[in-house]
Amino acid sequence: EAAVTQSPRSKVAVTGGKVTLSCHQTNNHDYMYWYRQDTGHGLRLIHYSYVADSTEKGDIPDGYKASRPSQENFSLILELASLSQTAVYFCASSGGQNNNQAPLFGEGTRLSVL
Amino acid sequence: AQSVTQPDARVTVSEGASLQLRCKYSYFGTPYLFWYVQYPRQGLQLLLKYYPGDPVVQGVNGFEAEFSKSNSSFHLRKASVHWSDWAVYFCAVSMRWYNVLYFGSGTKLTVEP
Repeated sequence: EAAVTQSPRSKVAVTGGKVTLSCHQTNNHDYMYWYRQDTGHGLRLIHYSYVADSTEKGDIPDGYKASRPSQENFSLILELASLSQTAVYFCASSGGQNNNQAPLFGEGTRLSVL
Repeated sequence: AQSVTQPDARVTVSEGASLQLRCKYSYFGTPYLFWYVQYPRQGLQLLLKYYPGDPVVQGVNGFEAEFSKSNSSFHLRKASVHWSDWAVYFCAVSMRWYNVLYFGSGTKLTVEP
């Protein structure tokens, strides 16, 4: 069964600390994405990746780094967490040109920065 | 640039009544359109997708949507709402099915008994 797994599911971090959110997919998908959701808003794209060892900036990349060490794994890194980064983070994957499946989403990571 | 507008932040319907959730998109070219549903404290689940072709697409749980190029719309419909449909619904647009999605702000659906 196709799946996108995020860890942790929730996290409390301190301002100025480093936070790493992890995403793992078992779908053999080439494309992976990190989105951010703020209360009462839609999702906004932070970073994405088309292939392992390469990442691209999305619409709101400031304050975030991404890492794609393998096809299956995609991490989002907050080097210096700030209060404004409190949000729910979603990872997604999609198959690329040869797979017409719509993007699949993980369950989300709820991050609170205090 | 592509964008999506969901003009209704909240919609309330009675169980058994019909439903329409509105979505307007802005995109120069042939859009790929999606409706996702988010249940409380869960991720997004795909309801249905439009890939260029038949303008009416069927989804899961009795949902359907109709693409209109002239109106730049992709409204979601359901003939008879069930209490389990209580959720937040997101419309999204993309250049391709595998590309970045651009989301609307969502419509929160409340179902009254």
